[in-house]
Amino acid sequence: DSGVTQTPKHLITATGQRVTLRCSPRSGDLSVYWYQQSLDQGLQFLIHYYNGEERAKGNILERFSAQQFPDLHSELNLSSLELGDSALYFCASSVALAGAGYTFGSGTRLTVV
Amino acid sequence: QQQVKQSPQSLIVQKGGISIINCAYENTAFDYFPWYQQFPGKGPALLIAIRPDVSEKKEGRFTISFNKSAKQFSLHIMDSQPGDSATYFCAASGGSARQLTFGSGTQLTVLP
Repeated sequence: DSGVTQTPKHLITATGQRVTLRCSPRSGDLSVYWYQQSLDQGLQFLIHYYNGEERAKGNILERFSAQQFPDLHSELNLSSLELGDSALYFCASSVALAGAGYTFGSGTRLTVV
Repeated sequence: QQQVKQSPQSLIVQKGGISIINCAYENTAFDYFPWYQQFPGKGPALLIAIRPDVSEKKEGRFTISFNKSAKQFSLHIMDSQPGDSATYFCAASGGSARQLTFGSGTQLTVLP
């Protein structure tokens, strides 16, 4: 157990729907990063939050949004889902602002049908 | 500028052999270079990391070699074991890029 908790582990939904993925960081970690892992794109950085504030955006679609709450858990919202959004979504946390010492969760496998 | 290029895409090694995975980067502001190991159904786990002020770092059977002038770094797995069979990712961060940028991954298979 890495200490980073992601729920749900699996999610199957239809095109056009909206889902919310949840991440609880390791105790004491202030940074949360979201990544999308697909077979053809590898691990793609989506967004970074630090202590409740958005710090960086990567290749995140406008249909996707995220937030980090006062208790430091984070949610990734995916809307108007398309078949191509099917992927593993990972969050990682770290204690610092910079990228050292990431700890990843086990991921949420999203299947859009 | 933000890319990290990794090779080979897949690697098959006999038990006891040496596995070598290479990465190259472009952004000279990068100052942290980790390697992650990922087993099927699991998230990537930090294996070993290096900063550019040293040319080599060893932890057990795992060694990172770093060539700052060539902007290249590599992972060597000595005495490879079937349990090392996994996907390995190199990554880099630094400068304005606080998040890690990952290579495309190498699927390692160690034959018994």
